[in-house]
Amino acid sequence: GAVVSQHPSRVICKSGTSVKIECRSLDFQATTMFWYRQFPKQSLMLMATSNEGSKATYEQGVEKDKFLINHASLTLSTLTVTSAHPEDSSFYICSARASTGRTEAFFGQGTRLTVV
Amino acid sequence: AQSVTQLDSQVPVFEEAPVELRCNYSSSVSVYLFWYVQYPNQGLQLLLKYLSGSTLVKGINGFEAEFNKSQTSFHLRKPSVHISDTAEYFCAVSGASGGSYIPTFGRGTSLIVHP
Repeated sequence: GAVVSQHPSRVICKSGTSVKIECRSLDFQATTMFWYRQFPKQSLMLMATSNEGSKATYEQGVEKDKFLINHASLTLSTLTVTSAHPEDSSFYICSARASTGRTEAFFGQGTRLTVV
Repeated sequence: AQSVTQLDSQVPVFEEAPVELRCNYSSSVSVYLFWYVQYPNQGLQLLLKYLSGSTLVKGINGFEAEFNKSQTSFHLRKPSVHISDTAEYFCAVSGASGGSYIPTFGRGTSLIVHP
């Protein structure tokens, strides 16, 4: 299957700082990327959908100014958590899809963010 | 709108026993169905998928699932589990929603295999 690389796998940052998480599709061009947040023992909550070259579409309740998403190329999307607070601590997972329609999304390994 | 219900939050089973993880979905359009496995602190790995054709789908690691349209179910089964199958399993549905096919996940089922 296709490979999606997410970096870093773990990050600890101080409250008030910003953290950038990268999601790369290594062997295919990802027209659409999804960012999810997962709380302990819970399912994945879709945060936003991004299409290459256009603004991300955020789900209801997700702060656009706090979670900045950039999908500048067909192989890279980034999620920046700005002015992080302890409540932002979570597991963030990206997924990428080669095209719209009947294809599955491939997932990165996730990033464990801890804000202290 | 589409939704996924995984009825069991936790399924304990002994090694080499059979297991079934249940998944029901609702959607107003044609759907594509998936099962993913997640090991601790890792992303999701695709186990199997149903897009069309045969309703019995075979996946990796000896898992299979059967799509039942009348019952709107897509239960995951394995005839004999191993300790290494202990993980979180997510059922997902993807259907036409403005043409975007955004996957929706169930809450997950924790499979615990005991020796």
